[in-house]
Amino acid sequence: DVKVTQSSRYLVKRTGEKVFLECVQDMDHENMFWYRQDPGLGLRLIYFSYDVKMKEKGDIPEGYSVSREKKERFSLILESASTNQTSMYLCASGAGGGSSYEQYFGPGTRLTVT
Amino acid sequence: DQQVKQNSPSLSVQEGRISILNCDYTNSMFDYFLWYKKYPAEGPTFLISISSIKDKNEDGRFTVFLNKSAKHLSLHIVPSQPGDSAVYFCAAPSYNQGGKLIFGQGTELSVKP
Repeated sequence: DVKVTQSSRYLVKRTGEKVFLECVQDMDHENMFWYRQDPGLGLRLIYFSYDVKMKEKGDIPEGYSVSREKKERFSLILESASTNQTSMYLCASGAGGGSSYEQYFGPGTRLTVT
Repeated sequence: DQQVKQNSPSLSVQEGRISILNCDYTNSMFDYFLWYKKYPAEGPTFLISISSIKDKNEDGRFTVFLNKSAKHLSLHIVPSQPGDSAVYFCAAPSYNQGGKLIFGQGTELSVKP
């Protein structure tokens, strides 16, 4: 059974704090993704990675960075959290390309920045 | 530039009736589409997909129809059940970035008993 896990389900942080969100997949997928979900805006891509130590900006990378030191792990970093980063954060992995476009999502982290 | 659009933010349907969720796209290069279902406080789960070589794909109560000339697809759920209440997203793989999906804004379906 495929599995994507995220380090926290709920997180409350203060403005200006550095925040780490961790994601681990056990499917040996090449591609990993970080999204945020906000009402009325759907799923917006923050960053993605096609390979270890490789990263690509998504549609809304400002205020975020990522790290992929191992194939199975993809971390999202908020260098200095702000209230407009309060959101649901979703990690996904996928084989990518060909007939394998499907992405598998983790349960999400509800982050509140106060 | 919203390449995949779901113009109805919400839909309410009576149990047992048909639910029709719509999705439009602007990029004629898209050749594969996926539907995801998301419950609150959970990650999205894959529901059904369709390739552009087909105009229909069916899986149990779920059928997706694709109209390439209109750049439109729809998800039909028959019969609708209260457990189908969720947010539904349509998505298409980015043409020049293999593996990246472009998602619509989502439609929240509510199935009333």
